[in-house]
Amino acid sequence: AAGVIQSPRHLIKEKRETATLKCYPIPRHDTVYWYQQGPGQDPQFLISFYEKMQSDKGSIPDRFSAQQFSDYHSELNMSSLELGDSALYFCASSLREVNTEAFFGQGTRLTVV
Amino acid sequence: AQSVTQLGSHVSVSEGALVLLRCNYSSSVPPYLFWYVQYPNQGLQLLLKYTTGATLVKGINGFEAEFKKSETSFHLTKPSAHMSDAAEYFCAVSEYQGGSEKLVFGKGTKLTVNP
Repeated sequence: AAGVIQSPRHLIKEKRETATLKCYPIPRHDTVYWYQQGPGQDPQFLISFYEKMQSDKGSIPDRFSAQQFSDYHSELNMSSLELGDSALYFCASSLREVNTEAFFGQGTRLTVV
Repeated sequence: AQSVTQLGSHVSVSEGALVLLRCNYSSSVPPYLFWYVQYPNQGLQLLLKYTTGATLVKGINGFEAEFKKSETSFHLTKPSAHMSDAAEYFCAVSEYQGGSEKLVFGKGTKLTVNP
């Protein structure tokens, strides 16, 4: 079965650079969530989208923005990168009407040097 | 606002022994509860979930958890640990609020299985 696809799997950027992370949800899923997991930390909710509209917002820095496109894929844009942004970024998708669980991608490991 | 507390950041058991990972939650509405497993440098894999109905939930790999409303707990158990169970386990809660089912995770419990 198709799963949530995230790209790239690994990304190395320098401080003050920008990064774009992509997420392709499971086909027919209409909701996408982004989470950030710092080293040794639990995943923290950043932002979510339902039908291409932002549905909820968590602890996402102003330097970050995200959107969901017409084909339901989502991108997380991160600017003015800081060392503290180094983390594993997860995307998850779900089907709202089913209302049970979100399926997670393998994550993108961002390293800021 | 919901929250999750996992007692014990590290748990060590012998192969074949009982696994018990503790999770307590707080939620203002009936919660949905989840256990996820994360292997090193991997994503989050759902072990099991509780939404409604039967309070004893069976998951993959022989794990199960029981929802106890009176104790606000959702502890994860497995009768006999296997070496392959060594991983980090996260308990999570979600509240369906206006279409957003964001998950709130506990801090995680790292399970070590000794031969």
